[in-house]
Amino acid sequence: GAGVSQSPSNKVTEKGKDVELRCDPISGHTALYWYRQSLGQGLEFLIYFQGNSAPDKSGLPSDRFSAERTGGSVSTLTIQRTQQEDSAVYLCASSLEPTQGGNSPLHFGNGTRLTVT
Amino acid sequence: DQQVKQNSPSLSVQEGRISILNCDYTNSMFDYFLWYKKYPAEGPTFLISISSIKDKNEDGRFTVFLNKSAKHLSLHIVPSQPGDSAVYFCAASGNQFYFGTGTSLTVIP
Repeated sequence: GAGVSQSPSNKVTEKGKDVELRCDPISGHTALYWYRQSLGQGLEFLIYFQGNSAPDKSGLPSDRFSAERTGGSVSTLTIQRTQQEDSAVYLCASSLEPTQGGNSPLHFGNGTRLTVT
Repeated sequence: DQQVKQNSPSLSVQEGRISILNCDYTNSMFDYFLWYKKYPAEGPTFLISISSIKDKNEDGRFTVFLNKSAKHLSLHIVPSQPGDSAVYFCAASGNQFYFGTGTSLTVIP
């Protein structure tokens, strides 16, 4: 079946512009996560959705970052007034709700590589 | 503060030998642990997991060991193959998933 799909795969933008990153999770997966990986770093948690609500936004690095999820499916991560330090690979992952099947692993998309010039 | 740590950024192993990747965690409430493999320009791929009620889980060439008292888990790959060369992340699940910083494994033919 289809995996997690992210678009665009690459995005180059000028400092100060806004960008939108999109994630299509695996059908039926109610949990959706956004992570980012900066060069040479590990996976940094950004935000978690359960259905359309975001019980944990603790990882968003600043108020320039926001995310939404509609219809319990597609999610968009928006970065306003981008800065060079926002350059990273932004990864989306989805999983079955844990209560449905015990512990469920995250399934990742291939990410969006964002470069802010 | 890093709740999941992988203290070895890289590891090189000869083909056919055993690869052992290590991971430590700090939160005793974590109840589910996972290993992911990542190739360049791709997202991490789920490899193997273990519940906190177990101390070992095996899947083919891959075995994960969990030592709860030491808050330590390890991934054993035997025999190692050149296609196993990748970055390996360990992760732990509490109210969210926490990832280590990764270990880059190189299997030398």
